[in-house]
Amino acid sequence: QSVLTQPPSASGTPGQRVTISCSGSSSNIGRNYAYWYQQLPGTAPKLLIYSNNRRPSGVSDRFSGSKSGTSASLAISGLRSEDEADYYCAAWDDTLSVVFGGGTKLTVL
Amino acid sequence: LQLQESGPGLVKPSETLPLTCTVSGGSITIDNYYWAWIRQPPGKGLEWIGNIYYTGTTSYSASLTGRVAIFVDTSKNQFSLMLSSVTAADTATYFCARRPYGAEFDFWGQGTVVTVSS
Repeated sequence: QSVLTQPPSASGTPGQRVTISCSGSSSNIGRNYAYWYQQLPGTAPKLLIYSNNRRPSGVSDRFSGSKSGTSASLAISGLRSEDEADYYCAAWDDTLSVVFGGGTKLTVL
Repeated sequence: LQLQESGPGLVKPSETLPLTCTVSGGSITIDNYYWAWIRQPPGKGLEWIGNIYYTGTTSYSASLTGRVAIFVDTSKNQFSLMLSSVTAADTATYFCARRPYGAEFDFWGQGTVVTVSS
């Protein structure tokens, strides 16, 4: 059971906008930044969003992050087939540990 | 910056799993960066194992405390993981990564698959 809660799956058609939620608590997302990772099949995760809503250099502006209270969200606009992947949220927890969500498998229909 | 994991692909139950992460293209002694281990059981999500600062300061997951140790060798630009008393539940892909802050991991190794089986 993961500390952060994500829906196990999400889907959309090409061009659509999809959002993935991540629910935490006051000890993690509520007081610390949220992060998002994209993991393509057979590869290492890739940092997608840091500090709630910032994109590393090279990450498409189709990806955006937000945070409200103890929850965070990842939005993907203009959905493409290459966006089909697993997405993980993460946060620092005040118990001095990094916690992850269970992951959301995004399918592009 | 590149990170590369190395170690045995197969470990027997109750034995100790040793993994090493070699950092190239940058120094492991850079200020304000931690060096982390993360694992992913087959078909499951990510789990933070712990991390180390180049001075040797460590933090570990509470669920693994007592079985895990992370070391750094600045002369070789490497850091290592030792996980003792392994069981089938420790079967996973193990990743090493650089952690600048919080839950941010900006560079990752490709991962190494470890199977615990007799």
